Amino acid sequence: QKEVEQDPGPLSVPEGAIVSLNCTYSNSAFQYFMWYRQYSRKGPELLMYTYSSGNKEDGRFTAQVDKSSKYISLFIRDSQPSDSATYLCAMTWNYGQNFVFGPGTRLSVLP
Amino acid sequence: GAVVSQHPSRVICKSGTSVKIECRSLDFQATTMFWYRQFPKQSLMLMATSNEGSKATYEQGVEKDKFLINHASLTLSTLTVTSAHPEDSSFYICSARTRETQYFGPGTRLLVL
Repeated sequence: QKEVEQDPGPLSVPEGAIVSLNCTYSNSAFQYFMWYRQYSRKGPELLMYTYSSGNKEDGRFTAQVDKSSKYISLFIRDSQPSDSATYLCAMTWNYGQNFVFGPGTRLSVLP
Repeated sequence: GAVVSQHPSRVICKSGTSVKIECRSLDFQATTMFWYRQFPKQSLMLMATSNEGSKATYEQGVEKDKFLINHASLTLSTLTVTSAHPEDSSFYICSARTRETQYFGPGTRLLVL
């Protein structure tokens, strides 16, 4: 079993839809959970990071962590074509010493 | 958020030459930086971990004599691709670590002719 699992997609949605991106993990030691967005030919951009279970909201983005189920989600409301990118989940433990990425989900938001 | 820069953003070189890529953390100090490689439509592949003041740690299968890493200060790490060949053509991305997360540079596209 891989440490972090993420559906690679591609995921296509119409503009304005609510997008749900998910990752599961196996290591209960993970402390920080992150979501990155990567456009083609660019470096990943940190969207959000969370520490505890629960929800964290930033504009149209909501990150959700459920440590008991080892499951994290990123919700994008009112999705836009500019949200089309690859979304990577990542998590770390031992205060950043160990860092693991999911493989990424390719999202296309169609106008 | 924290900013990480990379230079150059794009480089084309002839086979057999060496290419140096710089990675800088602009507004924070990073004792640890990472170097990744990414092929089109594929995931990031960690190449090495760069620690300030000590030797880099390379992932299995990465030739340390080919990919020289120097982390001379808390804000600068360099990756030198020595005797580059066409198969080294790729997208190279660095990141700088904080306690909670990593911040990535914009990447360097290397094309070896």
